[in-house]
Amino acid sequence: DIVMTQSPLSLPVTLGQPASISCRSSQSLLHGNGDTFLSWFQQRPGQPPRRLVYQVSKRDSGVPDRFSGSGSGNDFTLKISRVEAEDVGVYYCMQGTHWPPGFTFGQGTKLEIK
Amino acid sequence: EVQLVESGGGLVQPGGSLRLSCAASGFTFSSYVMHWVRQAPGKGLVWVSRISHDATSTMYADFVKGRFTISRDNAKDMVYLQMNSLTADDTAVYYCVRDFNHDVDHWGQGTQVTVSS
Repeated sequence: DIVMTQSPLSLPVTLGQPASISCRSSQSLLHGNGDTFLSWFQQRPGQPPRRLVYQVSKRDSGVPDRFSGSGSGNDFTLKISRVEAEDVGVYYCMQGTHWPPGFTFGQGTKLEIK
Repeated sequence: EVQLVESGGGLVQPGGSLRLSCAASGFTFSSYVMHWVRQAPGKGLVWVSRISHDATSTMYADFVKGRFTISRDNAKDMVYLQMNSLTADDTAVYYCVRDFNHDVDHWGQGTQVTVSS
């Protein structure tokens, strides 16, 4: 089965500073149709997850442009250019390329303000 | 606006059953694959089950196979998760999610399932 590995699992960041989260997959996420189905989700405390980025680097509507996704193959990154207080929460990567076994999520990265 | 509203969660004894419902609105429900994803207390997100847009195909995570059944009613814009033989490990918030192009683009608010004696 495909495994998604995020790092770090805990990310203390000073307000206004950048942050970066890594996500690595045990297999390439390049689909046979040429797309790569790697998404990033933000889960604020007490809230359901919300998608920020899909297909590696496409930002969802309403997502601030301080969030950006990059990567290819097995190696992906979510960057926040300047962390704001509202960014506190847990961030998950998810792959949708390989079925079965189904959508596979990373363990989550908890972002907190230092 | 896309809305997914789960219901049916609650407290159930080990070995018991529960049926979750998800009411969809704001989109052409019958055109979309739907899933259930769960999150145990303090833990991460785990995919549970998938149903095709026309209900002809279903998939399950290994840990629920034979115990859970996903279904849908396109006339009512509803998706369901029948959960039998529940154990403490099934305690979680269950989210109904919409699939779009190999991805999850919308989540419901979730419904809490607690399995305890």
